[in-house]
Amino acid sequence: EEQLLESGGGLVQPGGSLRLSCAASGFIFGSYSMTWVRQAPGKGLDWVSFIYNGGATTHYTDSVKDRFTISRDDSKNTLFLQMNGLGAEDTAVYFCARNPVLDGSRPADLWGQGTLVTVSS
Amino acid sequence: DIQLTQSPSSLSASAGDRVTIACRASQPLVSYLHWYQHKPGEAPQLLIYSTSTLHIGVPSRFSGGGSGTEFTLTINNLQPEDLGNYYCQQTYRFPFTFGGGTKVEIK
Repeated sequence: EEQLLESGGGLVQPGGSLRLSCAASGFIFGSYSMTWVRQAPGKGLDWVSFIYNGGATTHYTDSVKDRFTISRDDSKNTLFLQMNGLGAEDTAVYFCARNPVLDGSRPADLWGQGTLVTVSS
Repeated sequence: DIQLTQSPSSLSASAGDRVTIACRASQPLVSYLHWYQHKPGEAPQLLIYSTSTLHIGVPSRFSGGGSGTEFTLTINNLQPEDLGNYYCQQTYRFPFTFGGGTKVEIK
């Protein structure tokens, strides 16, 4: 069964750091681009970051540039999100998702259940 | 950044009804517009990709259409299990933005 499982969320103080992981199973992880998406409490889905298969090219939403770093370890079938300089606005459930190329576009066709990050003193 | 505006933000309909959710983009997207269903506490699910292609396993009562900057998601014969939040997303240009969401309730 194809599956994504996030971990690493928790309570962190403002200005702190956290590293999220997303373990993939049931498919050839290294063949797929991957995404992080978050959902703040009571809000909608918010796209955060993207990494191409191979890991050479990444993209970020403006609000996390220079603070968050997406990376991957294809030997361990794992996606990461290093989050530094966290603020209250980063409080959210963080989802990882898989982005195959379908009809030339890159929808997210497989999602994890999410991991909760709470930034509070 | 490409802005996606969904309407309505919420709707309430009866089982068996036909409902339509609109998504307007701030610039043309070719066909790179997708629709997701998200129920609280669950993983989001891909429903429709590239405007109108039904994802594997998605019931045929869901359909998508549109072009340019105007797109729609239609649910025919609304079922109780269709309650939840629906989002459009563009993957035409980075950042891959989402619409604000539409909450669907069943009367």
